Amino acid sequence: AQRVTQPEKLLSVFKGAPVELKCNYSYSGSPELFWYVQYSRQRLQLLLRHISRESIKGFTADLNKGETSFHLKKPFAQEEDSAMYYCALRSGSARQLTFGSGTQLTV
Amino acid sequence: DVKVTQSSRYLVKRTGEKVFLECVQDMDHENMFWYRQDPGLGLRLIYFSYDVKMKEKGDIPEGYSVSREKKERFSLILESASTNQTSMYLCASSYRDRETQYFGPGTRLLVL
Repeated sequence: AQRVTQPEKLLSVFKGAPVELKCNYSYSGSPELFWYVQYSRQRLQLLLRHISRESIKGFTADLNKGETSFHLKKPFAQEEDSAMYYCALRSGSARQLTFGSGTQLTV
Repeated sequence: DVKVTQSSRYLVKRTGEKVFLECVQDMDHENMFWYRQDPGLGLRLIYFSYDVKMKEKGDIPEGYSVSREKKERFSLILESASTNQTSMYLCASSYRDRETQYFGPGTRLLVL
């Protein structure tokens, strides 16, 4: 069975500092990885997905199959980045996602 | 713009009551999902549906059932609410199997 691990429940960084939110997964096949974000009093929304290889709001994430990781990075954190971040995995042809436990980022 | 709505933002129920949570999407999405969101546990999938009258169990289906009689509406039912079902419940939908999931605002349920 697949599993997504976000080792940090809470992460605090100073404005302008680099930020990295860690995500590790366990799945034997080729996964599809996502980052979802929930700002205060807003609904959960997609931030980025690895197949898009795009930068959203300055965030990037690279899928590292060797380390089974999909860490989210931003070089200069902003106050508006404060939110709950969830890493999620879709395995094979599955319709559903498996989410990690989330990391609350405070800038 | 995709709109997923949930019938209530807050609900307070008593132990043993039957509870209905409703979710409606207006974009003709095939897939609909029910999650519960708990601090430290993240989102856990309860049930999902990929077509009218079709459903599949997620990771934590015990104590819950679902109904999808119309494509746009997906209901979560707590047959006999218990205090350990106090949680935030999120509904989501997606157009096709590998498409982005869009979430509703959530229903915070308190079972006394």
